[in-house]
Amino acid sequence: EDKVVQSPLSLVVHEGDTVTLNCSYEVTNFRSLLWYKQEKKAPTFLFMLTSSGIEKKSGRLSSILDKKELFSILNITATQTGDSAIYLCAAHTNAGKSTFGDGTTLTVKP
Amino acid sequence: DAGITQSPRHKVTETGTPVTLRCHQTENHRYMYWYRQDPGHGLRLIHYSYGVKDTDKGEVSDGYSVSRSKTEDFLLTLESATSSQTSVYFCAISESYSRAENIQYFGAGTRLSVL
Repeated sequence: EDKVVQSPLSLVVHEGDTVTLNCSYEVTNFRSLLWYKQEKKAPTFLFMLTSSGIEKKSGRLSSILDKKELFSILNITATQTGDSAIYLCAAHTNAGKSTFGDGTTLTVKP
Repeated sequence: DAGITQSPRHKVTETGTPVTLRCHQTENHRYMYWYRQDPGHGLRLIHYSYGVKDTDKGEVSDGYSVSRSKTEDFLLTLESATSSQTSVYFCAISESYSRAENIQYFGAGTRLSVL
């Protein structure tokens, strides 16, 4: 059975802090690891990772994949209140479907 | 929402009644998915489709059926709704070529309450 585990499940920080969100996966026929952000509505795409060790970066957010150890991390530096959201990771397979983790709820306080 | 429309957006129904949720896309994407989201459970795949009339089960398919007779429409049916099917339902689509097919775009969701 395919499985994706995210940690921590929730996190409360103050503006300016740096956070690291974790995602481990065990899936058959792994193809890619994706991160999504969900703010009280539909999830929106952040990153797609297919190769180990190559960092993807977008502003204050960055992510990396380790295909040997089967995990990924999402870093957010200099957090802002607008970063408050649920962050979901998903492992996508060659069968064309994704298995999602339960998400990390990030709350950034002013 | 990447050309994805879910209808209805909200529905309240009674236990034992049939319910159909509709997902309509204007992107001509090959893959379509139905997920449910419950507190503390992230997104769980119900069914997905990889083409017209080609569908497969996800991890929580019991009590649900789907149909895809046209590229643009993917219907989710609860044959006899139960209270355990109270949830938020998301439809998603993804493309059919290159690595772009891994990225899913989500509709706005349907909030279903079964009383």
